[in-house]
Amino acid sequence: NAGVMQNPRHLVRRRGQEARLRCSPVKGHSHVYWYRQLPEEGLKFMVYLQKENIIDESGMPKERFSAEFPKEGPSILRIQQVVRGDSAAYFCASSPGQDTDTQYFGPGTRLTVL
Amino acid sequence: AQTVTQSQPEMSVQEAETVTLSCTYDTSESDYYLFWYKQPPSRQMILVIRQEAYKQQNATENRFSVNFQKAAKSFSLKISDSQLGDAAMYFCAYRDTQGGSEKLVFGKGTKLTVNP
Repeated sequence: NAGVMQNPRHLVRRRGQEARLRCSPVKGHSHVYWYRQLPEEGLKFMVYLQKENIIDESGMPKERFSAEFPKEGPSILRIQQVVRGDSAAYFCASSPGQDTDTQYFGPGTRLTVL
Repeated sequence: AQTVTQSQPEMSVQEAETVTLSCTYDTSESDYYLFWYKQPPSRQMILVIRQEAYKQQNATENRFSVNFQKAAKSFSLKISDSQLGDAAMYFCAYRDTQGGSEKLVFGKGTKLTVNP
């Protein structure tokens, strides 16, 4: 059984470019979560999605950031016009949508903005 | 808002000894879930143990156990017979379900060093 897959594992962008981070949840999981980890910090919640719906985006910056989880295909976290402060590790997690809802994490994408 | 506090930025333990990592949290909910995750140098987040608040019995997973004190809102992790592979960052997390969300709120972590 494959776990949560994230790609790319490392992404380098110059200021002003766009970053697209992909997450394929565990097979059968319908809930996806994105978290950001700045250096020397814990993970901070960004957004919670179910298929084709954003359930909670309270942790997403209001500008430049968007997320989707289409009916088919992976979840995408998109960062437009990246700035140096966006440099961080971005983790995706998934859960099956049952009450216990343990979240299983992917290996993360480390974004570096030059 | 729910908060999670890990008051020990760093801890160290001798191989084969026991160490306890502290975690406190703040919530007005009566039923909730708490988790400990391990993040080794590879940065992969690995679930260590989970506790349901309505269960009085402390969760255990092999060498890992918790001391859950609901009234004190304390959720410490005990690692017995520490091994070199236990060296990692350990994060305590609270599952926040307010408003229909299901996000995890993490503490800032404790860096555990295991000395041979």
